Amino acid sequence: GAVVSQHPSRVICKSGTSVKIECRSLDFQATTMFWYRQFPKQSLMLMATSNEGSKATYEQGVEKDKFLINHASLTLSTLTVTSAHPEDSSFYICSAQPGQGVDTQYFGPGTRLTVL
Amino acid sequence: GQNIDQPTEMTATEGAIVQINCTYQTSGFNGLFWYQQHAGEAPTFLSYNVLDGLEEKGRFSSFLSRSKGYSYLLLKELQMKDSASYLCAVLFSNDYKLSFGAGTTVTVRA
Repeated sequence: GAVVSQHPSRVICKSGTSVKIECRSLDFQATTMFWYRQFPKQSLMLMATSNEGSKATYEQGVEKDKFLINHASLTLSTLTVTSAHPEDSSFYICSAQPGQGVDTQYFGPGTRLTVL
Repeated sequence: GQNIDQPTEMTATEGAIVQINCTYQTSGFNGLFWYQQHAGEAPTFLSYNVLDGLEEKGRFSSFLSRSKGYSYLLLKELQMKDSASYLCAVLFSNDYKLSFGAGTTVTVRA
């Protein structure tokens, strides 16, 4: 149980284009989903927290207009990187949490984004 | 801040034991997680400690001392596949978000 999928696993795009990443909880309903970014040899940095049916909460320094998050259902959240630039190249990982407050986060397999 | 400190790298021999320490700020503590992450993959859940003491799960054990702001992950009977990064993550009650340490890269040598 507690499987989270992400799609696509890898994406290469040209500078200025937008990329959408999907995160799905396959066998449980996720009240809360989180989006992280990880640069090489660094730890995970939280970008935003999304709760189903409400607006995402962004961490300081993360541009909400650049990283659009939609959590339309209890099993799906999407992250859209708009007008991507080479510095947005990173490993994007989502996690899903069955409950609110204190609960284990289950991570998706990650999406490797390369912006040329 | 919510500084979470763990060693950067550790090396051990196959079959040996390795202990990865993690220290954190105690204020607002609400639980500590250990995750394993292989290169290029997402983290996988290993353990969760919220009360003091030792939690054992097969070859992996995790210990917590809340008063000292200290945890360790113990890996026994090391196998080559245990070579990975191990992330200490703390849940603080003010926002219920996980704060991650930088990770400890463990290399298991034959």
